[in-house]
Amino acid sequence: DQQVKQNSPSLSVQEGRISILNCDYTNSMFDYFLWYKKYPAEGPTFLISISSIKDKNEDGRFTVFLNKSAKHLSLHIVPSQPGDSAVYFCAASDLSENTDKLIFGTGTRLQVFP
Amino acid sequence: DAGVTQSPTHLIKTRGQQVTLRCSPKSGHDTVSWYQQALGQGPQFIFQYYEEEERQRGNFPDRFSGHQFPNYSSELNVNALLLGDSALYLCASRADRRETQYFGPGTRLLVL
Repeated sequence: DQQVKQNSPSLSVQEGRISILNCDYTNSMFDYFLWYKKYPAEGPTFLISISSIKDKNEDGRFTVFLNKSAKHLSLHIVPSQPGDSAVYFCAASDLSENTDKLIFGTGTRLQVFP
Repeated sequence: DAGVTQSPTHLIKTRGQQVTLRCSPKSGHDTVSWYQQALGQGPQFIFQYYEEEERQRGNFPDRFSGHQFPNYSSELNVNALLLGDSALYLCASRADRRETQYFGPGTRLLVL
């Protein structure tokens, strides 16, 4: 049972344009969401997070939007840069469980071309 | 300041063997979690260690066990290896419940 889903395995975007990565979840108990970026031969690197009490969080070129009613979140990267090419994972947790357990999606491979 | 380190980087084992993977958390971090990332999948939570005890466990069989030492470093042990155990094993650490977890580069295990 995949509780966090990233239905697009890959995305290709031109440099300077917007990249939009999507994520859906099924567990209504999830109240904290994160995006990680992963380069080959490296561990996942934290990008940005959002609590369920918010619907938007912004950090530089990265913005995460949360739609709780639709159980959907998205990561916007503007403008996209070639260095953003990586695999992006959406992750969720239930803070009431008092655990570090993160539930990850299967990832979306983003390629930013010149 | 070194981040999370893991050893070895790569490992090849045969079915039925046992393996031990090691993790040193980021300086100042006392909580370690282990994840398994199979090819084409996202990381899956194995277990978490804090104060040298297993605090929570994911949906993994007892063949997967761990340990945390007084210096907060940790080991992941897998017994009776199966072909399906081939994966990237990631270690993550944090200092405070409100902080983000930092991941190591992982150990890639291949079981033949």
